[in-house]
Amino acid sequence: DSGVTQTPKHLITATGQRVTLRCSPRSGDLSVYWYQQSLDQGLQFLIQYYNGEERAKGNILERFSAQQFPDLHSELNLSSLELGDSALYFCASSVWGGRNTIYFGEGSWLTVV
Amino acid sequence: QQQVKQSPQSLIVQKGGISIINCAYENTAFDYFPWYQQFPGKGPALLIAIRPDVSEKKEGRFTISFNKSAKQFSLHIMDSQPGDSATYFCAASKSIQGAQKLVFGQGTRLTINP
Repeated sequence: DSGVTQTPKHLITATGQRVTLRCSPRSGDLSVYWYQQSLDQGLQFLIQYYNGEERAKGNILERFSAQQFPDLHSELNLSSLELGDSALYFCASSVWGGRNTIYFGEGSWLTVV
Repeated sequence: QQQVKQSPQSLIVQKGGISIINCAYENTAFDYFPWYQQFPGKGPALLIAIRPDVSEKKEGRFTISFNKSAKQFSLHIMDSQPGDSATYFCAASKSIQGAQKLVFGQGTRLTINP
């Protein structure tokens, strides 16, 4: 158990809908990351927050947004969902924002039908 | 410039054998090279990592070999065990102002036959 908690574990929704994925980082970790894992694209970095502020951005679509709250939990919002958004979304956390060990949660499976 | 290429896609090794997975990168600004292990239904977990100023790092049965001039690095698993059967990902990142954007390889599905 990495200590990173993600909810929900599984989610099925229709195209055009909006969903929110939630993440609680490990106790004491200030940095939160979101990654997307799919068969065709592999594991891709989406976005990183550090202590509430956006620190780095990857291949995150404009339809997707994220935030980190004062209690350090984070949410990833996915809107106007398309079939191609079906993937496993991982949250990860680390103590600080630079070159240190990143711990991944078990992921949220999103299926768009 | 941001790609990390990993091979092979899948690998079958007999118990007790040596498993070798290779990765190549293009961006010379990368300064951190971790390997992650992922079991079905779980998130990736850090196995071992190396920085470019070191040519080899060993932790138990796991060794990373790093060739900076060739821009390649590899994972060696000695005395491979059935419990090592998992998907392995190499990754690379460059730290900029406290940010870490891991670029992952496509993964290698390793099967250790008993």
